[in-house]
Amino acid sequence: EPEVTQTPSHQVTQMGQEVILRCVPISNHLYFYWYRQILGQKVEFLVSFYNNEISEKSEIFDDQFSVERPDGSNFTLKIRSTKLEDSAMYFCASRTGTSGDHEQFFGPGTRLTVL
Amino acid sequence: AQSVAQPEDQVNVAEGNPLTVKCTYSVSGNPYLFWYVQYPNRGLQFLLKYITGDNLVKGSYGFEAEFNKSQTSFHLKKPSALVSDSALYFCAVRDWNTGKLIFGQGTTLQVKP
Repeated sequence: EPEVTQTPSHQVTQMGQEVILRCVPISNHLYFYWYRQILGQKVEFLVSFYNNEISEKSEIFDDQFSVERPDGSNFTLKIRSTKLEDSAMYFCASRTGTSGDHEQFFGPGTRLTVL
Repeated sequence: AQSVAQPEDQVNVAEGNPLTVKCTYSVSGNPYLFWYVQYPNRGLQFLLKYITGDNLVKGSYGFEAEFNKSQTSFHLKKPSALVSDSALYFCAVRDWNTGKLIFGQGTTLQVKP
């Protein structure tokens, strides 16, 4: 069964450093998302991406964040200058775009630890 | 604004007993509702959804959920709990315009043998 994959599973970085979190969505999916989950808290939407552009972003998704789909398979989230409060689990998700298919399929997540 | 509430942080049940995990929602228009489960150190796994049609929807692993429009609820149920059902459960509503999911706080289900 196809699944969303994410790398790395765990990333440790120093405050102020840039990180790139990578995702490979399911191949025939058209809509892509990033969410994050701070330890012990609920899952929060960051950004949605469709047709090679951002379709919506949350207040969390400030100028330090960017997303890219560089090669038609990978979907990346970049944080330019990490802060301590960026420490969280980051989930990538995708969905087909087929009418009636509304569920999103999530990857296993990348745990980002900012020291 | 659309929102979802899960009023219980934790639900404890004995194995073999029925379980209910509660969820209420607030949306303008018809809701698209979802349940996801998260096992430790894992991603979110889709369990079931309500889009339209029958109020009782069936999903993976024997779970079902009942959509109640008058009570704006979408409670997750299972007739007989298993120890392996112990996990964190999230209710979510899809934003009508953008497609993003809005999650509840999550409910930890603990099933004891």
